[in-house]
Amino acid sequence: DGGITQSPKYLFRKEGQNVTLSCEQNLNHDAMYWYRQDPGQGLRLIYYSQIVNDFQKGDIAEGYSVSREKKESFPLTVTSAQKNPTAFYLCASSSTGTGGPTDTQYFGPGTRLTVL
Amino acid sequence: GIQVEQSPPDLILQEGANSTLRCNFSDSVNNLQWFHQNPWGQLINLFYIPSGTKQNGRLSATTVATERYSLLYISSSQTTDSGVYFCAGGYNYGQNFVFGPGTRLSVLP
Repeated sequence: DGGITQSPKYLFRKEGQNVTLSCEQNLNHDAMYWYRQDPGQGLRLIYYSQIVNDFQKGDIAEGYSVSREKKESFPLTVTSAQKNPTAFYLCASSSTGTGGPTDTQYFGPGTRLTVL
Repeated sequence: GIQVEQSPPDLILQEGANSTLRCNFSDSVNNLQWFHQNPWGQLINLFYIPSGTKQNGRLSATTVATERYSLLYISSSQTTDSGVYFCAGGYNYGQNFVFGPGTRLSVLP
């Protein structure tokens, strides 16, 4: 089955720890995205990548880091510098990242991160 | 940057009722999409609709680009329609593609 997988589904972290959220897609998409969703809110862009080995900051990149070494994978690290990391994290991909009619976004099931 | 407003913020319907959700944009967009987030958090794309009208089963959407708004119509609602409906738009993707705050729909049996 083609799609996007995220792991883990739930993640608990102690203050001061870095954690890495996994995102993998087998849709052969060039573009991948990370969003953060807080309760009752819309999605806010953290980072996005349109091609391997290149990525751009979104609106709320501070305290987060990413890598794009493979087309299929776009892991997100939540660092200890992120002051309020408890949230629902969603990964998405799209064909090219240019926003045309065949370039709709597909989302993974999400990871719920809780800082203890 | 672009601002996106959605109304109403919450909507409760009886099964079988029809509804209209609205999305307003502060500026012109070339990429406008509607999404549904189910109660477990999964988002699914419903429509890519920067202009015109589209229909998919009981759902349809209309965007009036010149007036910077889009409408999502749900007819004969079912309990499985419950969740949050987001519109998102902007220029292409990246920082220029903004999600609205969503409309939370509850369909009661």
